[in-house]
Amino acid sequence: RKEVEQDPGPFNVPEGATVAFNCTYSNSASQSFFWYRQDCRKEPKLLMSVYSSGNEDGRFTAQLNRASQYISLLIRDSKLSDSATYLCVVNIPSSGTYKYIFGTGTRLKVLA
Amino acid sequence: GAVVSQHPSRVICKSGTSVKIECRSLDFQATTMFWYRQFPKQSLMLMATSNEGSKATYEQGVEKDKFLINHASLTLSTLTVTSAHPEDSSFYICSAMAAYEQYFGPGTRLTVT
Repeated sequence: RKEVEQDPGPFNVPEGATVAFNCTYSNSASQSFFWYRQDCRKEPKLLMSVYSSGNEDGRFTAQLNRASQYISLLIRDSKLSDSATYLCVVNIPSSGTYKYIFGTGTRLKVLA
Repeated sequence: GAVVSQHPSRVICKSGTSVKIECRSLDFQATTMFWYRQFPKQSLMLMATSNEGSKATYEQGVEKDKFLINHASLTLSTLTVTSAHPEDSSFYICSAMAAYEQYFGPGTRLTVT
């Protein structure tokens, strides 16, 4: 089983739609969870951290379910500018510290 | 937020030569930096964790003698691709930790001809 798995995508949605991405992780010792956004041929940019209580930032809502080892990202009222690849990132213990593992990413295309 | 730079942004080299990529944290000190590689249409694959003042920790399948990592100061880590081959052509991205968050450099696109 991969350490971090995401919906394969691509997701093609009309402007204004609500879209949800899922991510599962295999290491129960993981402590930190993030969603990153990557535009074509650019470096990833942090979208939001994911907290146990769930968190919201404008149109974006992230949820964490530790029991199921599952993270989600919900985007409401999609904009054309939301088109990108969304990467789920999880930290896993490694040699007394943590390392960060990326999921394969889910491509989103918002259509006019 | 914190800023990480990488140099060069793009490099083309001949097969068999070595290429050095620099990763700098510009406004903070980073005891830990990470090096990733990303092939087209794939996600970022962690290559190694670079620790200031000690040896890097390499991921399984990454040859430490081919990808030399040096983290000589709290603001600089370098990755040297030795005896590069066309299959090493990829997007190499570094990141640095600041306040439990990762900040990424803009990446270096390496093409080996």
